[in-house]
Amino acid sequence: EAQVTQNPRYLITVTGKKLTVTCSQNMNHEYMSWYRQDPGLGLRQIYYSMNVEVTDKGDVPEGYKVSRKEKRNFPLILESPSPNQTSLYFCASRTRARMDEKLFFGSGTQLSVL
Amino acid sequence: AQSVTQLGSHVSVSEGALVLLRCNYSSSVPPYLFWYVQYPNQGLQLLLKYTSAATLVKGINGFEAEFKKSETSFHLTKPSAHMSDAAEYFCAVRDYGGSQGNLIFGKGTKLSVKP
Repeated sequence: EAQVTQNPRYLITVTGKKLTVTCSQNMNHEYMSWYRQDPGLGLRQIYYSMNVEVTDKGDVPEGYKVSRKEKRNFPLILESPSPNQTSLYFCASRTRARMDEKLFFGSGTQLSVL
Repeated sequence: AQSVTQLGSHVSVSEGALVLLRCNYSSSVPPYLFWYVQYPNQGLQLLLKYTSAATLVKGINGFEAEFKKSETSFHLTKPSAHMSDAAEYFCAVRDYGGSQGNLIFGKGTKLSVKP
């Protein structure tokens, strides 16, 4: 089954404790992206990757890191989480074949930073 | 630069009533437009998309949207709401700029359906 898998689904942590949210897709997609969703703000893009070893900042990259060492994986790293990073996070992927290709989304990671 | 505006953060309708969710876009070139739906505790999934082939686009679950260039709109409709339509709906436009095709999302409209 074609899918984007995020882990964990829920995460509670404390300020400053490094964490990683994993994302994996099984569709051989070149493009992957991370979004955060906050009430009233919709989805805002954090980082995206056009292919292996190619990453770029989205609209809200501060406080986040990503890597793309393999095509299927695109982890999101918070080196020193802060309470304003409490949010619902989504990973997504698609092919780059055409401009109308749809995004496939993971089920989300609800992060709480205390 | 492209952008989308969704009018109304919350819309409430009765079961069986017409659903109308509004989306206006801004784009200097012919846009690629999308509607995504997010059911509770799930990720987003594609409802329908406009790619210039036809101005009236039909999607899943009985939804459709009409592209109106003169009004720069891409409103989502469904003739008769069902309880299972309760969800959050996002309009999106593909960015032609430096982001190489990223999607720009609206802030979302939460649809409630009353019995």
